[in-house]
Amino acid sequence: EAGVAQSPRYKIIEKRQSVAFWCNPISGHATLYWYQQILGQGPKLLIQFQNNGVVDDSQLPKDRFSAERLKGVDSTLKIQPAKLEDSAVYLCASRQNRDLKSYTFGSGTRLTVV
Amino acid sequence: QKEVEQDPGPLSVPEGAIVSLNCTYSNSAFQYFMWYRQYSRKGPELLMYTYSSGNKEDGRFTAQVDKSSKYISLFIRDSQPSDSATYLCAMRRGNTGFQKLVFGTGTRLLVSP
Repeated sequence: EAGVAQSPRYKIIEKRQSVAFWCNPISGHATLYWYQQILGQGPKLLIQFQNNGVVDDSQLPKDRFSAERLKGVDSTLKIQPAKLEDSAVYLCASRQNRDLKSYTFGSGTRLTVV
Repeated sequence: QKEVEQDPGPLSVPEGAIVSLNCTYSNSAFQYFMWYRQYSRKGPELLMYTYSSGNKEDGRFTAQVDKSSKYISLFIRDSQPSDSATYLCAMRRGNTGFQKLVFGTGTRLLVSP
C-alpha cells in the first residue's frame, strides 16, 4: 500500500513570499489532515477535511493560510505571505473512518522562511 | 497549562536497557491514547494505541494508561540502537472523525550500542 505522498520535501523562501504544499493521501482515506510541527514541538492540527469538506480549521491562521481538497482526494496548503515564525515541518496525514490504526502521516515538507 | 505534557529529553540509555517514557494530561475527556515514533526527517508512525485505562503489550513495547492519575507510559524492553527516535504521545476524546488528536512535545530517545 502506498503511503501519504507530500511534495516538495524542502522549501526555502523569503518572508512575505508565498508557498504551496501538496499532499496525496492513501487511496480510500476520506479524512485528511494538515499539521504544523515546529522544531522541538509536537504536531499541531491546522485543518481537517472529511472528503472535500472542512471539519475543523479552528487553528488555521486564516489571514495567511488557506487549504483546499478538490474532489476529495489531493490537497494543497498555501501560505501567503509567509512569516519567519512559519518555519516548520508541514505534515499531511490521512485516515479511514473510525480506524485509528489507519492514521498515517507523510514525511512532511520542511519550510524555512528567511 | 498545556493539555498534554511530555519531557522533551533527550533520554540516553545503553543498548538492552528498559526505557520508560511518560506523558501527563489535564483533560479528563480523553479516551484514546496513542504513542507515535518519529525518526529524523520522517513523519510520525503509530506504535500503539489504547482505549481507556489499562495495559497493552506488543512485542518489546508496553503501553499503560492510568486515567485516575491522568498519566500514560510507554515501556521499551531490551532497547536497541534502532529505537533511537522521538516518541510522541497523543490523545483524543473519541473515535468519530471529528475528534482532534492532541500531541505532546515528544521525547527524544538515544540508545547507544
